[in-house]
Amino acid sequence: GAVVSQHPSWVICKSGTSVKIECRSLDFQATTMFWYRQFPKQSLMLMATSNEGSKATYEQGVEKDKFLINHASLTLSTLTVTSAHPEDSSFYICSAWIAGGLGLRMMEYFGPGTRLTVL
Amino acid sequence: AQTVTQSQPEMSVQEAETVTLSCTYDTSESDYYLFWYKQPPSRQMILVIRQEAYKQQNATENRFSVNFQKAAKSFSLKISDSQLGDAAMYFCAVSGGGSNYKLTFGKGTLLTVNP
Repeated sequence: GAVVSQHPSWVICKSGTSVKIECRSLDFQATTMFWYRQFPKQSLMLMATSNEGSKATYEQGVEKDKFLINHASLTLSTLTVTSAHPEDSSFYICSAWIAGGLGLRMMEYFGPGTRLTVL
Repeated sequence: AQTVTQSQPEMSVQEAETVTLSCTYDTSESDYYLFWYKQPPSRQMILVIRQEAYKQQNATENRFSVNFQKAAKSFSLKISDSQLGDAAMYFCAVSGGGSNYKLTFGKGTLLTVNP
């Protein structure tokens, strides 16, 4: 089945630094990728929709200047947390979406997540 | 706009028994999809079952089945012959179709399976 990878799986950084998280679709091309945030014991909250070759669409309340998303190719989207602070500590999950059609089912494939801890 | 409500923060079931997890939703989309996802301690999201809203027949996947009541906007998940490996957080989710695809998750139900 389709596989989505994330790197790194966990990262610890100092307050004020920036952290980049990569999301790759390993065996298919994804024109659309999604980024979610999950706090402990809570649900997934959609942060933004990343479309290849265009600017990301951010959900209400998500700071686009803080969470920079780049979808430079059909297999790679990156999330950069700029000037990270302890409140940005969370579990970040990406996913890749296949629209379906031509015999394929519409599907969203999730990455394994990245745990970010900001000291 | 989409909302999903899971009214059971926690549920428990005995191994080999059956358990039903509740979910209600609201959406303004006429074409939409419903999902149940499982998130084990590894935190990898695993699709359990999906239902296209235009289909009247309830979806089934082996021991997992849904009771989809479109008029009531209800989408419950039944797990039969529960196994220890079923223990996880279960999220109900709704999405529009096509270009309106965007998942909205409920708060989740933590399922414990007792041996």
